[in-house]
Amino acid sequence: ETGVTQTPRHLVMGMTNKKSLKCEQHLGHNAMYWYKQSAKKPLELMFVYSLEERVENNSVPSRFSPECPNSSHLFLHLHTLQPEDSALYLCASSQTGGKAYNEQFFGPGTRLTVL
Amino acid sequence: AQSVTQPDIHITVSEGASLELRCNYSYGATPYLFWYVQSPGQGLQLLLKYFSGDTLVQGIKGFEAEFKRSQSSFNLRKPSVHWSDAAEYFCAVGYYSGGYQKVTFGIGTKLQVIP
Repeated sequence: ETGVTQTPRHLVMGMTNKKSLKCEQHLGHNAMYWYKQSAKKPLELMFVYSLEERVENNSVPSRFSPECPNSSHLFLHLHTLQPEDSALYLCASSQTGGKAYNEQFFGPGTRLTVL
Repeated sequence: AQSVTQPDIHITVSEGASLELRCNYSYGATPYLFWYVQSPGQGLQLLLKYFSGDTLVQGIKGFEAEFKRSQSSFNLRKPSVHWSDAAEYFCAVGYYSGGYQKVTFGIGTKLQVIP
């Protein structure tokens, strides 16, 4: 595997279900991100982990719970979601720190549908 | 606060025609600027980036962009569009906040290419 991978690619869940999204980066980066992409809206940054510590939680409802067990893996645990949470969830990674600004590399996303 | 404006939500061009996608940003310091492309069902792929130096930046797939500080613009251009360029294009500004890197994205421009 190369780059950033995400599983599953598609997920349909009921409002009472619990599920998890997984992201893995094979680039040796030290920062990972969760974004939400909804139609006709800019990408919304949800969470940022830098050196495995959560450094940003962008006022995301508690029904979304991130986990970063190591610098290569990132999870997004979902429970009691609402239909408006249906969206494409994108994971990204980058090498942060130092003077250079490095771009983010994105996974293909998980298309989530909440019924 | 940082912001990115992409005034054209949807653009249609004929194959072989030239293309220019507009982007304006708002940021107090020297910006880090990016253009990403997203094909249907895929994540975002970096086309090009500007950090400093030459204001005309070359990217992949024959794209280029020009940074104009006086106009706060970073427009994307391609001299001759191919049908495979049909996708959604995102302009973004990167910056440091709280000791780590962040990116603010525009709403995106969807490009349709007609034969």
